[in-house]
Amino acid sequence: AQSVTQLGSHVSVSEGALVLLRCNYSSSVPPYLFWYVQYPNQGLQLLLKYTTGATLVKGINGFEAEFKKSETSFHLTKPSAHMSDAAEYFCAVSERGQKLVFGTGTRLLVSP
Amino acid sequence: GAVVSQHPSRVICKSGTSVKIECRSLDFQATTMFWYRQFPKQSLMLMATSNEGSKATYEQGVEKDKFLINHASLTLSTLTVTSAHPEDSSFYICSARPSNTGELFFGEGSRLTVL
Repeated sequence: AQSVTQLGSHVSVSEGALVLLRCNYSSSVPPYLFWYVQYPNQGLQLLLKYTTGATLVKGINGFEAEFKKSETSFHLTKPSAHMSDAAEYFCAVSERGQKLVFGTGTRLLVSP
Repeated sequence: GAVVSQHPSRVICKSGTSVKIECRSLDFQATTMFWYRQFPKQSLMLMATSNEGSKATYEQGVEKDKFLINHASLTLSTLTVTSAHPEDSSFYICSARPSNTGELFFGEGSRLTVL
């Protein structure tokens, strides 16, 4: 069965600083990997996804993630944080498009 | 992009009553919909997979008689919380997948408060 581990329940950065949110996965087959963002009392919005092909994936709002099979990782990065990036971020894995399994989430805090 | 709509977004009910939450795919047909539950400051836990025209598949530990799921059409799935109790208070989120792709689209969520 697949699983996801997100290191750090909270990450704090200053506005303009690099954002790095960590995600490691476990899957018995080549996985599909996703990053979602959730604002308070709202549903989830897809930031980016990896299915096949290029391992560096670019998403919305300047975010990107790199699939590293050897490290079973799919870390999310953004070169320069904005105040509007403050939210909860979830990494998720699915085995060939079946049900999604989510990580526990990382709350990103951005200070001025 | 594809849109999934949930209704109601917020509902407050008395203990012992039943509450129905609707999940609609507005611009695509979805043979499969998923229902998740999210406790405060926690991740999303898959409750069940709803398949159009057949019985839902529930995850281990989810009471199928308490959380009734109906997927009567390709654009609508409903979750009914029967005989709700305060411990059922939570944020419920649905997601739907167009028949021809693997990407999931999420609804806005429904916050249930049972008094």
